[in-house]
Amino acid sequence: DAKTTQPTSMDCAEGRAANLPCNHSTISGNEYVYWYRQIHSQGPQYIIHGLKNNETNEMASLIITEDRKSSTLILPHATLRDTAVYYCIVRVANTGTASKLTFGTGTRLQVTL
Amino acid sequence: DVKVTQSSRYLVKRTGEKVFLECVQDMDHENMFWYRQDPGLGLRLIYFSYDVKMKEKGDIPEGYSVSREKKERFSLILESASTNQTSMYLCASSPLRTGSHGYTFGSGTRLTVV
Repeated sequence: DAKTTQPTSMDCAEGRAANLPCNHSTISGNEYVYWYRQIHSQGPQYIIHGLKNNETNEMASLIITEDRKSSTLILPHATLRDTAVYYCIVRVANTGTASKLTFGTGTRLQVTL
Repeated sequence: DVKVTQSSRYLVKRTGEKVFLECVQDMDHENMFWYRQDPGLGLRLIYFSYDVKMKEKGDIPEGYSVSREKKERFSLILESASTNQTSMYLCASSPLRTGSHGYTFGSGTRLTVV
């Protein structure tokens, strides 16, 4: 699986959009970009994933550049409960086997009043 | 609501003890995983299983074994616990073909070996 690079930490004011970047310059054509987050003392939680088109769900939006070498997770109106570590992961999906998720150290997002 | 349940939230064991960490999922998922999480090291995969009685080593299997006798249950075993196995242990499951839901994680077991 391709390696990802994320900033160590970011701050965001409550109510503003949080934009979390991820670089994955060695991504392969069949690898998806997944985002998870981990709130303190809990297990990671799936947020969103995409291949090359932008994606949106009730939690967030995912913007993937045209060359697929980077992406941005957008939380449109951050709240204090969005304070967490956010992980960007690239891997092949739907392989039919137990392909594993490899986590980096992620971005620690602190949402403040 | 779908769930991955880990039997203990906190556990304290003595060095040399045999330790069992239990994980149960109610989603009929084929794949199950055990990770450990340590400060500064992120999540590291210990073992995973893609079917009953099947197992594969992850990145750090030394000192651990696993058991999967039933589809819904995946156990992590520390044959002889050591202090360097003090960690947060996370179980996860996923369907065979990982679609929109990706992995579902349990809440974790914080194990302290004294």
